Amino acid sequence: EIVLTQSPGTVSLSPGERATLSCRASQSVFRSCLAWYQQKPGQAPRLLIYGASNRATGIPDRFSGSGSGTDFTLTISRLEPGDFAVYYCQQYGSSPLTFGGGTKVEI
Amino acid sequence: QVQLQESGPGLVKPSDTLSLTCSVSGGSISGYYWSWLRQSAGKGLEWIGRIYSSGYTHYNLSLKSRVTIAIETSKNQISLTLNSVTAADTAVYYCARGYGAGSYNSFDIWGQGTMVSVSS
Repeated sequence: EIVLTQSPGTVSLSPGERATLSCRASQSVFRSCLAWYQQKPGQAPRLLIYGASNRATGIPDRFSGSGSGTDFTLTISRLEPGDFAVYYCQQYGSSPLTFGGGTKVEI
Repeated sequence: QVQLQESGPGLVKPSDTLSLTCSVSGGSISGYYWSWLRQSAGKGLEWIGRIYSSGYTHYNLSLKSRVTIAIETSKNQISLTLNSVTAADTAVYYCARGYGAGSYNSFDIWGQGTMVSVSS
């Protein structure tokens, strides 16, 4: 099973600032099958990025993903008030599909 | 716009069976993988298993001995059955649609989730 470790656990930023979130895998993620999700309180996760760097439908371009192998990054270029949430990475290159523990982006 | 809605009892007794249904509206159930996932404070997000519209299933080995996922295409529904539940099975349960053409998927559409507590 691939274990995903996200860092930092919590990051405190202001609107307009840049957020850089890390996801490290315990072994290489097949074909960069790595997704990022945003989750707000009381809501289901929302797909942001798939294939490590492809934005899902309707996701603004201030969200970008990068990385390969074991190291992946989600960057939010200019935080907007609605971006303060918890972000999860997920690998779907091998079974079982696994998620990281999340990074909370707070004001 | 495809929407998913989970339903089922919010409280299950220890050692009993948890049964949930996911209703798909606004689109076809055919041609997609449909997964069940859960989220708890203790274990975070956990993938339980998935089913293709043909009925092919694939489970997380950690739960495989207790899980059954089934599909009823005529009703546009997917079901989850989890046997011999314990307090560790307390979680918000989600159904989600698989996205992408690879062997496994990310998830592009999620239900709102349903909270299930295991307690006597």
